[in-house]
Amino acid sequence: GAGVSQSPSNKVTEKGKDVELRCDPISGHTALYWYRQSLGQGLEFLIYFQGNSAPDKSGLPSDRFSAERTGGSVSTLTIQRTQQEDSAVYLCASSPHGTGDGYTFGSGTRLTVV
Amino acid sequence: QKEVEQDPGPLSVPEGAIVSLNCTYSNSAFQYFMWYRQYSRKGPELLMYTYSSGNKEDGRFTAQVDKSSKYISLFIRDSQPSDSATYLCAMRRRDDYKLSFGAGTTVTVRA
Repeated sequence: GAGVSQSPSNKVTEKGKDVELRCDPISGHTALYWYRQSLGQGLEFLIYFQGNSAPDKSGLPSDRFSAERTGGSVSTLTIQRTQQEDSAVYLCASSPHGTGDGYTFGSGTRLTVV
Repeated sequence: QKEVEQDPGPLSVPEGAIVSLNCTYSNSAFQYFMWYRQYSRKGPELLMYTYSSGNKEDGRFTAQVDKSSKYISLFIRDSQPSDSATYLCAMRRRDDYKLSFGAGTTVTVRA
């Protein structure tokens, strides 16, 4: 596609429910990243994919968070047993290579846990 | 202490004014420095990209990096209402794919 597409754009969920956030990167971009943006905070790195593998999961805040990428394209970030502190904007970005250059961000999924 | 510090503002200026934004950082390994602009409900978009110390100019935007002071700046000349957004500084080490971000400064340019 022309840009990075994320869905849903907004998600309100009850505490304790599981949620899935989807990212469709730019076609041909091998690198995919997830970041979290909390109110008043900068973007916080969560996970990096190169192709279908995730060599760096160091930013995932707990084992309730997991992510996968299939076909070297679409990625899903799953949060199990959501907590109120998970409320944030989850941003996905892709880049042609895993060099840290050429990031293109999606518009994000705004997650609210009530 | 955060790795990258940025005053969140907010900053309100009249149209035509110079906007001055800055970040400080603590990790001397950072080599690449970026400024992103983020409009409300949108993802960040790259505005300026610089390597190591020095100045870079692009139209109304000037980015400065002072590695000795661990300080970077972004100047917006002749500011316009369309420049109203949140500006995020970001940086990374030479061989890293991860970006470290400041908290962002919200700027409003009044017509």
